[in-house]
Amino acid sequence: KQEVTQIPAALSVPEGENLVLNCSFTDSAIYNLQWFRQDPGKGLTSLLLIQSSQREQTSGRLNASLDKSSGRSTLYIAASQPGDSATYLCAVKIGGNQFYFGTGTSLTVIP
Amino acid sequence: GAGVSQSPSNKVTEKGKDVELRCDPISGHTALYWYRQSLGQGLEFLIYFQGNSAPDKSGLPSDRFSAERTGGSVSTLTIQRTQQEDSAVYLCASNRGHVDTQYFGPGTRLTVL
Repeated sequence: KQEVTQIPAALSVPEGENLVLNCSFTDSAIYNLQWFRQDPGKGLTSLLLIQSSQREQTSGRLNASLDKSSGRSTLYIAASQPGDSATYLCAVKIGGNQFYFGTGTSLTVIP
Repeated sequence: GAGVSQSPSNKVTEKGKDVELRCDPISGHTALYWYRQSLGQGLEFLIYFQGNSAPDKSGLPSDRFSAERTGGSVSTLTIQRTQQEDSAVYLCASNRGHVDTQYFGPGTRLTVL
């Protein structure tokens, strides 16, 4: 069974810092990988989707990389802002219909 | 356009009662997913609908859980004889197919007393 792990579980940084969130998965036979953010009491918002054939995706201050062979993905956030404070989740899609989610990294950006 | 909507936003029920949770996907989205998010846990896949195909029910935790999707649009997740361990946030997502990102609703917070 696919297992998805996110490290660290929680992270607190001062505003303006660059930071990296990590996601690892045990089965490299994935279809795609997504990064989401979840705000308290809200649903998930998709940030970046990386297909299995891709190495990275960028959107604004966010950059996500994917290394299938090592079962790792990173989400890089540049010049962090207080509005970036949220829980960040990664999810992998395997063959079939199932997505496997990590337990998330809770990010706090201190003004 | 309108996103995925879910109702109710909060539901408090007594142990042993049945509950129904509703999901309205984005219009035109053929795929619909239900997840459960328990406190401190990751999202747990429950069930997946794709078009007119038979749903993938492999994530349903027990036979007390069932879901249907009428007319390829609205979906209802039913939990019979609720237990305290069913307390969680139930999230619904939809998309246009397996290459598309998922669009999530705000969730229904279920509390079983």
